Amino acid sequence: QQQVKQSPQSLIVQKGGISIINCAYENTAFDYFPWYQQFPGKGPALLIAIRPDVSEKKEGRFTISFNKSAKQFSLHIMDSQPGDSATYFCAASLPYNTDKLIFGTGTRLQVFP
Amino acid sequence: GAGVSQTPSNKVTEKGKYVELRCDPISGHTALYWYRQSLGQGPEFLIYFQGTGAADDSGLPNDRFFAVRPEGSVSTLKIQRTERGDSAVYLCASSYDRSGEQFFGPGTRLTVL
Repeated sequence: QQQVKQSPQSLIVQKGGISIINCAYENTAFDYFPWYQQFPGKGPALLIAIRPDVSEKKEGRFTISFNKSAKQFSLHIMDSQPGDSATYFCAASLPYNTDKLIFGTGTRLQVFP
Repeated sequence: GAGVSQTPSNKVTEKGKYVELRCDPISGHTALYWYRQSLGQGPEFLIYFQGTGAADDSGLPNDRFFAVRPEGSVSTLKIQRTERGDSAVYLCASSYDRSGEQFFGPGTRLTVL
């Protein structure tokens, strides 16, 4: 019940295309859903985050869509660029345990020119 | 300003040996976290410090793992009697407070031969 399931495991997109990564969770008590970007040899960096009181959040080319009833959330990267090539992780945490992020297994995105 | 730093960047040790991994958080951050990232997986929570005290150590896998933060700044993760299964990247993160964004360091890659 504490897991966050992420798909696909890897994704290849052409430059200018849309990259979509999906996550699903079971625990309805989760109330914070961040996405992290990780480049090889680096630690994860927060990209964008959402709370369940909104269905969508957009920051530049990055959008989170949140479906509370389906217990799913997704990351959309518009106009994907080669510099977006990285591993992306979704995560979730509980309201009384915001320190403990529970991560998905990651999606390796490759954007080809 | 400086980000989270971790030393060493790489550590190779033999099975049964003791290792210490160090984390220097961002100055002024009261919360500090340790995660473990195995190959192809998302980070897995180990322990969280608020100030000098371990507020949540529920992710430590067993009593061979121990972490300290004696002055509320630098933290050391200690692993006794290392096993080959301990091989992973150990990530440290810090945040201004418990609910703040977690900033990750580059990690220490531990290899147990």
